[in-house]
This record gives sequence, C-alpha cells and structure tokens, in this order.
Amino acid sequence: DQQVKQNSPSLSVQEGRISILNCDYTNSMFDYFLWYKKYPAEGPTFLISISSIKDKNEDGRFTVFLNKSAKHLSLHIVPSQPGDSAVYFCAAPRDYGGATNKLIFGTGTLLAVQP
Amino acid sequence: DSGVTQTPKHLITATGQRVTLRCSPRSGDLSVYWYQQSLDQGLQFLIQYYNGEERAKGNILERFSAQQFPDLHSELNLSSLELGDSALYFCASSYRGSGANVLTFGAGSRLTVL
Repeated sequence: DQQVKQNSPSLSVQEGRISILNCDYTNSMFDYFLWYKKYPAEGPTFLISISSIKDKNEDGRFTVFLNKSAKHLSLHIVPSQPGDSAVYFCAAPRDYGGATNKLIFGTGTLLAVQP
Repeated sequence: DSGVTQTPKHLITATGQRVTLRCSPRSGDLSVYWYQQSLDQGLQFLIQYYNGEERAKGNILERFSAQQFPDLHSELNLSSLELGDSALYFCASSYRGSGANVLTFGAGSRLTVL
C-alpha cells in the first residue's frame, strides 16, 4: 500500500530553470510532509517541510506547495543548479498524532540539472 | 556529517550468515529508526526505538531483529542472510518519537550478500 507516491522516476532540467517535483498521497490523515534530498553514497538529508495548516512554505530557492483537496504536494526549485542533481523523496509521518512519527517515503525522483 | 554514525559502511558476506549493523544517534536524540533501501526501491521502514523501547514496527522480517541500548545506540541484526537482503540500510534519529519531527539520517551501511 504505497500511501505516498512519486510518479515521475526522473526529471531533467536546464541550469537556471525551474524544477518541479511532484508527490501525491492517499491518506487524508497525513498532516505534515517533508522533502529529503539524497546524493549517491550518502544518507537522505532534510530539505523542507510543510504543515497542513499552510499551503506554501519557502526556504531560499526551495518552495513546497500543498493542495490538500487534491492530496498533492510539489517542490519547486528556482533557479535550479547542477549541485541540485540528486534523488528527491517526499515523506509523511504514518501515524501523525499517534505514538510514532516514523516516516513513509515515496519512491523518489531523480533530478538531473544540466549545465 | 549528520551526526548519525553507522558502521560498517560496507559489508560483504555469504548467504546463511549473520551480520550486525550499528548506529549511534545524533547527540541528544532519543529515537532511532531503521530503513532498508533495495535496488530501485524507496526507503522501507523497518523498526523504531524510543529511549530503549520498541515504538513501531514495519515490514521487518523475522530473521531481522534490533535493539536500542541504554546509551541509545542501536544495532540491527540480520541472520540467515539471503541474496535479497542485499541493500542499503539506513539509520535515522530524532529527539521525539512522535509528532512532527525531522529525522536525521546516517550515511548508511551497504550490505552485499553473495
């Protein structure tokens, strides 16, 4: 049961342009979402998060948008840089408000930023 | 350096063997999580400990077990290894065991079963 889905396995953009990575979820109880970035041979690193009380959260070049009615979130990177080339995972706590905050991850999107 | 330390970084072993992966959480963090990433797969949750107690369990095989010690480090034991157990195993830690919280990941242990 894949409750967090990233339907695009890969994305290629030109340096300086916008990268848009998408994520859909099925569980309407999810209340908090995170994006992680992963380089090869490294562990995932936290990028940005958003609570369901917001529809947008911005941190420098990174902005996450949340559309609760569509159960959809997206990560925008503007402008994209070659160093942004990595796998991006969206994630949500499986039992938010419950006894655990274990994260459920999507399958990831490999972003390649071309110089 | 995320502050989460995992050893060993690489491990090659044979089918049927047993291995132990070790994780030291970030200083001050009480919760430890184990994830498995197989080839072309996402991160699959295995198990969570909080302050020495098991907090949540995912699709962890019966051949696998884990524990968190009083000094908060954790070990993941994998036994009767099969070829399909070859994967990256990540440990993560956080201060809280529930609620909105960011998990900090280690660099992973790459297990190869031959």
